[in-house]
Amino acid sequence: GENVEQHPSTLSVQEGDSAVIKCTYSDSASNYFPWYKQELGKRPQLIIDIRSNVGEKKDQRIAVTLNKTAKHFSLHITETQPEDSAVYFCAASKTGGYQKVTFGIGTKLQVIP
Amino acid sequence: NAGVTQTPKFQVLKTGQSMTLQCAQDMNHNSMYWYRQDPGMGLRLIYYSASEGTTDKGEVPNGYNVSRLNKREFSLRLESAAPSQTSVYFCASSESGDGGYTFGSGTRLTVV
Repeated sequence: GENVEQHPSTLSVQEGDSAVIKCTYSDSASNYFPWYKQELGKRPQLIIDIRSNVGEKKDQRIAVTLNKTAKHFSLHITETQPEDSAVYFCAASKTGGYQKVTFGIGTKLQVIP
Repeated sequence: NAGVTQTPKFQVLKTGQSMTLQCAQDMNHNSMYWYRQDPGMGLRLIYYSASEGTTDKGEVPNGYNVSRLNKREFSLRLESAAPSQTSVYFCASSESGDGGYTFGSGTRLTVV
C-alpha cells in the first residue's frame, strides 16, 4: 500500500517568515495530493490540493508543488501569521471509483508573533 | 448545510462496554470513512465504505465493526471497548473519485 512520510514533525517560524513542509510518497500510481490544516481541538480541513498533471498550485499565501519523478510534494506558506499555527497533514491517494487517502503523521507549525 | 455530523462529541467507557459512534452527511457523497487520531501517529483508517452497501477494512480494523445504514449514515461500533481504543475518532466523506475529505467534528473517546 501507499506510504507517506512527512517532515519536519515540528516547525517554528517568526511571524512574516515562510514555512515549508515536505512529504514523500511511495506509490507511483498516486495522483491526488491534498493538504489539511487542523487547529487545536478542531477537525482537519482541506486547505489546498494538487493533482499529478499539475506541478504547482497557489492560493493566496499558500502553494503546493509536486515532483512526480522524485515522488515528493511540498506545502509553502508565505508571510506567516499567528493564525497559521496548527498541525498540517499531507496525504496521497488514487482517484477514480472511490478515494482512500493515506496521511502523513503531521507537522505542528508554530508562528511566533 | 451541516456537512458531516458526528455524535457523541465526548464519551467515557469502562473496559468491556460497547457503544456506537454515529456519523451522517448531507452532501450526497458516496464514500464515507472512519479514522482514529492518536498523538504522533497521525490519522489511521479504521474502515471505509466506497458506496452504499459496501464496507472494507482499513489499516486498523481490529476491535471495530461498521454499518453503512444508507447513503447518509455510517456508524462505527466498539463491541468490547479496550483502553487501547482511547482516541479521537473522525468520520469523513468524499464524492466518489474526486475531491478531498470533509471531516466531522470528532468524538473524543476515553476507555478506563
